[in-house]
Amino acid sequence: GENVGLHLPTLSVQEGDNSIINCAYSNSASDYFIWYKQESGKGPQFIIDIRSNMDKRQGQRVTVLLNKTVKHLSLQIAATQPGDSAVYFCAEENTGNQFYFGTGTSLTVIP
Amino acid sequence: ETGVTQSPTHLIKTRGQQVTLRCSSQSGHNTVSWYQQALGQGPQFIFQYYREEENGRGNFPPRFSGLQFPNYSSELNVNALELDDSALYLCASSFSGGRIDTQYFGPGTRLTVL
Repeated sequence: GENVGLHLPTLSVQEGDNSIINCAYSNSASDYFIWYKQESGKGPQFIIDIRSNMDKRQGQRVTVLLNKTVKHLSLQIAATQPGDSAVYFCAEENTGNQFYFGTGTSLTVIP
Repeated sequence: ETGVTQSPTHLIKTRGQQVTLRCSSQSGHNTVSWYQQALGQGPQFIFQYYREEENGRGNFPPRFSGLQFPNYSSELNVNALELDDSALYLCASSFSGGRIDTQYFGPGTRLTVL
């Protein structure tokens, strides 16, 4: 999963700018990855997913890129809005439909 | 909203007690996974239930146990509570139809152990 440390990585962006959140995963055999958004006091909310046979997938204002060579995943948010402020997690599928989550990245959008 | 519901929303227990948390899966889903999320951390996989049987387990002791019912709802039971069990407990439902599928989370149950 993501680099696990004692402190939550943070990212601050100006409203309207694009955001890029990165994630390093550990299992080269993982076949499926999901990005989740978690707002304070709520459960993780599905944003976008990607399978290992793809290297890019686009949704509404979001794009996920997968680089299997270096085991890296990124989430790009276009025209970031204040409502995008949250903690973002990447989750990698492990065997048996189990998902491993990293520590997450806290995104703050400055109005 | 995902359609996954959990109860209760908050719970306070003391060390040594037992607790049962409940989850109703999204309509059409047959699999429930439980996660523990400590403050400032990502969710950690506890176990998964499919067709009323445990279908994978993370690194949690046997005092964490679960059930899945014929309607696919599920319970998480924790015995002999410890202070470190204080966390947000999340359940996620999915449809297992032969390939790995998206997990949708409920709002969680916040457990505090005193």
